[in-house]
Amino acid sequence: GQQLNQSPQSMFIQEGEDVSMNCTSSSIFNTWLWYKQDPGEGPVLLIALYKAGELTSNGRLTAQFGITRKDSFLNISASIPSDVGIYFCAGLKGGGSQGNLIFGKGTKLSVKP
Amino acid sequence: GAGVSQSPSNKVTEKGKDVELRCDPISGHTALYWYRQSLGQGLEFLIYFQGNSAPDKSGLPSDRFSAERTGGSVSTLTIQRTQQEDSAVYLCASSRRATGAISGANVLTFGAGSRLTVL
Repeated sequence: GQQLNQSPQSMFIQEGEDVSMNCTSSSIFNTWLWYKQDPGEGPVLLIALYKAGELTSNGRLTAQFGITRKDSFLNISASIPSDVGIYFCAGLKGGGSQGNLIFGKGTKLSVKP
Repeated sequence: GAGVSQSPSNKVTEKGKDVELRCDPISGHTALYWYRQSLGQGLEFLIYFQGNSAPDKSGLPSDRFSAERTGGSVSTLTIQRTQQEDSAVYLCASSRRATGAISGANVLTFGAGSRLTVL
């Protein structure tokens, strides 16, 4: 099936550092989404991107929809312990329903206090 | 309800047994989705329901998996003759509808999942 390549797979960072993760695909998507999953919980939507080149912020989080529409990245600035969790990217092709969302394998973020 | 509710939260079963996992979506949400999350993997789409339309079953991995949604609300995912590779967290999500802009009530809201362990 279609794949989204998400990297890095995991990362350990020092509190206060900035974090960057990305998602790439060989296919074009019309919507990119970033979710966070806390331990024992379901994923929660952080940011939705709808246009190529779009840059959107949500607090300390910033995500961009790549110009080629085949990639997206998520940045977290000044990380804090509660940023721990798994971050998933997801892509949706034009005209598709949300049942056609394709998820990356996730980036597991661990913060050293 | 206020959120998507799934039960049981944990289920341990023996290989070959059947299991049923239940999902109560947010009231008024017409779209309901089931995903499987295996260790270290992303979310694997299984099936989704939109209103009274025929469900999209394209993600079900085998004929041992089935799901139904009664009365447009509660959904049950059934796994027959469970195998060890079925061990995973099964996540349910709902949204107001499956199509349209992903914002507001149309954002997928996930439950906490049902963790299935097949011995």
